Amino acid sequence: DIQMTQSPSTLSASVGDRVTITCRASQSISSWLAWYQQKPGKAPNLLIYKASTLESGVPSRFSGSGSGTEFTLTISSLQPDDFATYYCQQYNSYPYSFGQGTKLEIK
Amino acid sequence: EVQLLESGGGSVQPGGSLRLSCAASGFTFSSYVMSWVRQAPGKGLEWVSTISGSGVSTYYADSVKGRFTISRDNSKNTLYLQMNSLKAEDTAVYHCAKGFYYGDSPFDPWGQGTLVTVSS
Repeated sequence: DIQMTQSPSTLSASVGDRVTITCRASQSISSWLAWYQQKPGKAPNLLIYKASTLESGVPSRFSGSGSGTEFTLTISSLQPDDFATYYCQQYNSYPYSFGQGTKLEIK
Repeated sequence: EVQLLESGGGSVQPGGSLRLSCAASGFTFSSYVMSWVRQAPGKGLEWVSTISGSGVSTYYADSVKGRFTISRDNSKNTLYLQMNSLKAEDTAVYHCAKGFYYGDSPFDPWGQGTLVTVSS
C-alpha cells in the first residue's frame, strides 16, 4: 500500500504570504496526485489533479508541482478565503490514500 | 449541476448494521466510478471503497474489507454502502464522491456526507 505523508501538519501564515505544502509518497505514483481544500463542516473541494492541473474555477494563485514521490502545493499570495485544511491524495493504485492534512491558520 | 445526496446515517450499537445511500443527479451515473470516503470526528480523510461504472469491479480499504459492501443501481442513479459488524472506529461522516473523469481519477464533487455513530 502507498503511504502519503504531508508536511507541515499546521502552517501559520498571513494574508499575502507565499506558502508551500509538501506531500511525499512511499513509492512512485507518477503524476497521479490530487490536492483538496476542506473548510470546517464542508465537503472537500478538488483543487488540482494530475499533480499540476488546476481544476476549473480554482484561482491561479494555487499551483501544484512534482512527480514520482515528491509533490508540492503552493499558494502564491494567501487570501482570507484560503485558510482551510489541505489534503493530498494518490490515485495511482488501490487502496487510494490521503495525506494526514495540513491546517493553514491565520498568523 | 451534479448533485450527490447521502442518507441512511444514524446511531447504531457495535456489531450492528446500516445501509447508506447516495442519490446522484446531473450526470450520466453509469459512466462514472463512484466512491465512499469517510472522516472521523476531528480527523483526516480515509478512502473506504470504490465501484466501477458497471458495478463489476469493487475495491475496499483493508479496514472495512469483509464487513462493508459497495453497490450501485444504475437504473435508480443510486450508490450504496452496506455496513455490517460495525465498530466504534467506524464512527465518521461518510461522503460519496464521483470520479472526476472516466476511469481511475480523483473525486469531484463530493456529497455533504451522512454521520454514522457506533456506540453502546
